[in-house]
Amino acid sequence: GAGVSQSPRYKVAKRGQDVALRCDPISGHVSLFWYQQALGQGPEFLTYFQNEAQLDKSGLPSDRFFAERPEGSVSTLKIQRTQQEDSAVYLCASSLARTTGNTIYFGEGSWLTVV
Amino acid sequence: KQEVTQIPAALSVPEGENLVLNCSFTDSAIYNLQWFRQDPGKGLTSLLLIQSSQREQTSGRLNASLDKSSGRSTLYIAASQPGDSATYLCAVRVTGGGNKLTFGTGTQLKVEL
Repeated sequence: GAGVSQSPRYKVAKRGQDVALRCDPISGHVSLFWYQQALGQGPEFLTYFQNEAQLDKSGLPSDRFFAERPEGSVSTLKIQRTQQEDSAVYLCASSLARTTGNTIYFGEGSWLTVV
Repeated sequence: KQEVTQIPAALSVPEGENLVLNCSFTDSAIYNLQWFRQDPGKGLTSLLLIQSSQREQTSGRLNASLDKSSGRSTLYIAASQPGDSATYLCAVRVTGGGNKLTFGTGTQLKVEL
């Protein structure tokens, strides 16, 4: 596709349920990022991949959060045993180069509500 | 830890007005600074990217400046239009901080007819 695609766009999960959020980056993009954006806040960094290698996961808030990109293209962010504080928009972004000196393209996000 | 602040949090202006959005950051050791636009329910669109060695970047009616030593950036929007209504976010990439961006909380702009 022409842009970064995320699915599902909207997800309502019951507390304690596991969720999986998918990101399809722009074809050929080396770098892939996940950010979490709470209502009224700026995005907060979660994790970064260069191809299939997860080079930075310093922003993952707990061990309930796990991300993978096994073949260097599609990525999945998994949240286990969801809590209400996990409610946020999860944004995926990709860029062509290894550094963010190049333009970074964001998807429209996956809106997660935990009830 | 890098902290990014944006002032004002919200701004409402009449159409045609020139305006300035402010961004400040606490750690001047940055690699670059970007300004993004976010429309309601949408992702972020990159507007301007300023490398640490640059002072400003321009694109159409937008001009972004960077004063790294004082930890400040401004986004100037000329002749504002209703279509400019959105949230504007600035983000910095810290030198030695990997590839992650640290975002401000944004300025919500409304341009009225």
